Amino acid sequence: DVKVTQSSRYLVKRTGEKVFLECVQDMDHENMFWYRQDPGLGLRLIYFSYDVKMKEKGDIPEGYSVSREKKERFSLILESASTNQTSMYLCASSSGQPLTGANVLTFGAGSRLTVL
Amino acid sequence: QKEVEQNSGPLSVPEGAIASLNCTYSDRVSQSFFWYRQYSGKSPELIMSIYSNGDKEDGRFTAQLNKASQYVSLLIRDSQPSDSATYLCAVPSGGNFNKFYFGSGTKLNVKP
Repeated sequence: DVKVTQSSRYLVKRTGEKVFLECVQDMDHENMFWYRQDPGLGLRLIYFSYDVKMKEKGDIPEGYSVSREKKERFSLILESASTNQTSMYLCASSSGQPLTGANVLTFGAGSRLTVL
Repeated sequence: QKEVEQNSGPLSVPEGAIASLNCTYSDRVSQSFFWYRQYSGKSPELIMSIYSNGDKEDGRFTAQLNKASQYVSLLIRDSQPSDSATYLCAVPSGGNFNKFYFGSGTKLNVKP
């Protein structure tokens, strides 16, 4: 089974703090994703990485950055946390083989971030 | 226009009934479609994928795809209270069909 592991399930941070959310996958997947999920808004893509050191903005990248130094690890960084970044953050990975049964998104357990 | 749209619900059905969940998408060239189930407080898990027009059955679940009309649906037969969850439609899009876009989800309540 593909495992996507997010380092923290619950975090509480203060406004202005720098926040790191870590995600590791163990199936040699090419693609990794960060989403945030808010009630009524569904899952919104923040950033997407299709290879080491490669990244692409999603729909809501403002206030976030990412890092992918190794294939298995994808980090989401909030440079200066704000209260409107309080949310559930979901990391996911996929094989990157489009149009095949292997190109399925597998999610981590999620990280619930509260910014006070 | 949103990439993927779903009715937010809640959709309430009695136990044993058929639940019908619908999704429309905007990218005409999308080739694959996924249904995820998400229990409250948990992350989404894959239920079904479908690539070809028509129906695909897996146990009590049937996915239906109509590319000409750009909609995909999920039928749950003999609904059980354990099916109560939010159902998310996902459509890979973008240049290599690797960016997954999600609908906002339909909340299903199955009443005993």
